[in-house]
Amino acid sequence: GQNIDQPTEMTATEGAIVQINCTYQTSGFNGLFWYQQHAGEAPTFLSYNVLDGLEEKGRFSSFLSRSKGYSYLLLKELQMKDSASYLCAVIPGDYKLSFGAGTTVTVRA
Amino acid sequence: GAVVSQHPSRVICKSGTSVKIECRSLDFQATTMFWYRQFPKKSLMLMATSNEGSKATYEQGVEKDKFLINHASLTLSTLTVTSAHPEDSSFYICSARELAGREGYFGPGTRLTVL
Repeated sequence: GQNIDQPTEMTATEGAIVQINCTYQTSGFNGLFWYQQHAGEAPTFLSYNVLDGLEEKGRFSSFLSRSKGYSYLLLKELQMKDSASYLCAVIPGDYKLSFGAGTTVTVRA
Repeated sequence: GAVVSQHPSRVICKSGTSVKIECRSLDFQATTMFWYRQFPKKSLMLMATSNEGSKATYEQGVEKDKFLINHASLTLSTLTVTSAHPEDSSFYICSARELAGREGYFGPGTRLTVL
């Protein structure tokens, strides 16, 4: 089976930076996604990494190290609307997307 | 980005009835569709993978006779929860991917409540 770990909860202040770590152990690797999910809604795509390094997209950045089985999602200049669950998902060798349990981020004023 | 729709968004039914959920890709051809369920404060669990024109592949522990999946066209897949029971109450989400497509586009989800 696939094993994807990420912290359960994180809290940060508006305007601050938060880093959500994700470690994975999978049978094969074909890419890693980060999704944002608000309560009661489906996940929305944030980023995709398949090569090592940092991908920056506006206030959000995602990093991948394949040799370490590690990724992080960096949220900068936090806004209240960023309060949500953030899901790390890996495409293993069988191409069936496998999700972590999600990290609930709470942004406080 | 690509759009995937799901219908209905919410359904409440009595125990023992069957419920059909539709997943449509609106602006691309989805050669593969995935069905997930998500319990409150839990992550998405893959139920089955369906490729257009062939039988769905179910994950371990998912009853294929209870969760009937049909992927008759490149833009439509349906999930039918047969003889629903309260423990089937959950958030069901579909994801559609086009051939050689990189990302799965998620539908908005269907909240099923079985009384």
